[in-house]
Amino acid sequence: QVQLQESGPRLVRPSETLSLTCSVSGGFISDPEFYWAWIRQPTGKGLEWIGSIYYRGTTYYNPTLRSRVTMSVDTSKDQFSLRLTSVTAADTALYFCARRSLATDIGNWYDPWGQGILVSVSS
Amino acid sequence: DIQMTQSPSPLSASVGERVTITCRASQNIDSYLNWYQQKPGKAPKLLIYGAINLKDGVPSRFSGSGSGTDFTLTIENLQPEDFAIYHCQQSYRTPRTFGPGTEVDV
Repeated sequence: QVQLQESGPRLVRPSETLSLTCSVSGGFISDPEFYWAWIRQPTGKGLEWIGSIYYRGTTYYNPTLRSRVTMSVDTSKDQFSLRLTSVTAADTALYFCARRSLATDIGNWYDPWGQGILVSVSS
Repeated sequence: DIQMTQSPSPLSASVGERVTITCRASQNIDSYLNWYQQKPGKAPKLLIYGAINLKDGVPSRFSGSGSGTDFTLTIENLQPEDFAIYHCQQSYRTPRTFGPGTEVDV
């Protein structure tokens, strides 16, 4: 079964760039049936969709973050990545990567998810 | 953006009870509604997709209903492992949006 694992620095300084990688095992990131997504959750708050990427490079970003977000995919390593520039304390959150099904006539969904990585923005 | 709201929150319940959580979308989302269960410090897990479809392996005491703007997640015979936060999520439009979550506690 597919498993996802986030990795990256857990502390980022304000105004710097947050960079995370999600490693996919038990499956292939080039599987044409799926997109790959980043979702975050500030402590004690709800879930916020950051964006999604297809293995061919097509991306969709949350408009509230679009100016600061870049997602990329490395099919040779079965990894996809998130870059978020000019971070502030408001970007402190638990960051999850997840697999998203392709669109169907009943929508699409996120399954499975990585365990999450807590990233703090602080000087 | 499509706004998702949930009620009640929190929800106090006891083992063996029937629990109903409501999710409302700010506009019609047909059946493009998913439910996730999240335990403290853990990742959300998919329970129901397309409003009514139970993910394989999820106990049958969980069920979903609704379409349009109003949806419900029902848990029959609440078990100790069901105490968690439940999130709804719409996949009708980008950006995908989630409800604020409903905590089911004792």
